[in-house]
Amino acid sequence: NAGVTQTPKFRILKIGQSMTLQCTQDMNHNYMYWYRQDPGMGLKLIYYSVGAGITDKGEVPNGYNVSRSTTEDFPLRLELAAPSQTSVYFCASSDQDRVRLFFGSGTQLSVL
Amino acid sequence: AQRVTQPEKLLSVFKGAPVELKCNYSYSGSPELFWYVQYSRQRLQLLLRHISRESIKGFTADLNKGETSFHLKKPFAQEEDSAMYYCALMNRDDKIIFGKGTRLHILP
Repeated sequence: NAGVTQTPKFRILKIGQSMTLQCTQDMNHNYMYWYRQDPGMGLKLIYYSVGAGITDKGEVPNGYNVSRSTTEDFPLRLELAAPSQTSVYFCASSDQDRVRLFFGSGTQLSVL
Repeated sequence: AQRVTQPEKLLSVFKGAPVELKCNYSYSGSPELFWYVQYSRQRLQLLLRHISRESIKGFTADLNKGETSFHLKKPFAQEEDSAMYYCALMNRDDKIIFGKGTRLHILP
């Protein structure tokens, strides 16, 4: 099993550009999450999904959108990139044991 | 408000010395608490959870409801313990709230 795979690993965007961070998992997990990690600030939940077709906002959803058309994929969309979105983004998934999150390796995004 | 506080950004401990990573929480009710760890060049992973009352890699953590704390302890630090440690809680909506993390540096 590859686990949770995120692409790309690094990206630089200009202000106003849009992009999609990809996340896929091969563990048949129902629950998927997007977090952002800012230096010294821990992880903040952006969006999460409890299953295909269902998504919900986390603590910091503004400026982002998600979709969950399949169990495997949970892409995160930035429509108009802003410098405040410079961060490291982590995708994670879990099964019924929602405490045990399986994390991807992260995407380092810089918006300049 | 639901909050997890880790007061130390960095903790340096000599090899063989005891380790205590502090975690305090704010939550009305009985939270589920746990610790995550991220070793260098590895992914964030679950270390232990309070309901298991387990010891993982020599680490233990006891939930103290009176002090609203869940400190992570190890009697004798090892160099491989150097990592970033996050305390976290799961709320009633099954959302996980992370602390800001503490970087543990084990000195030789």
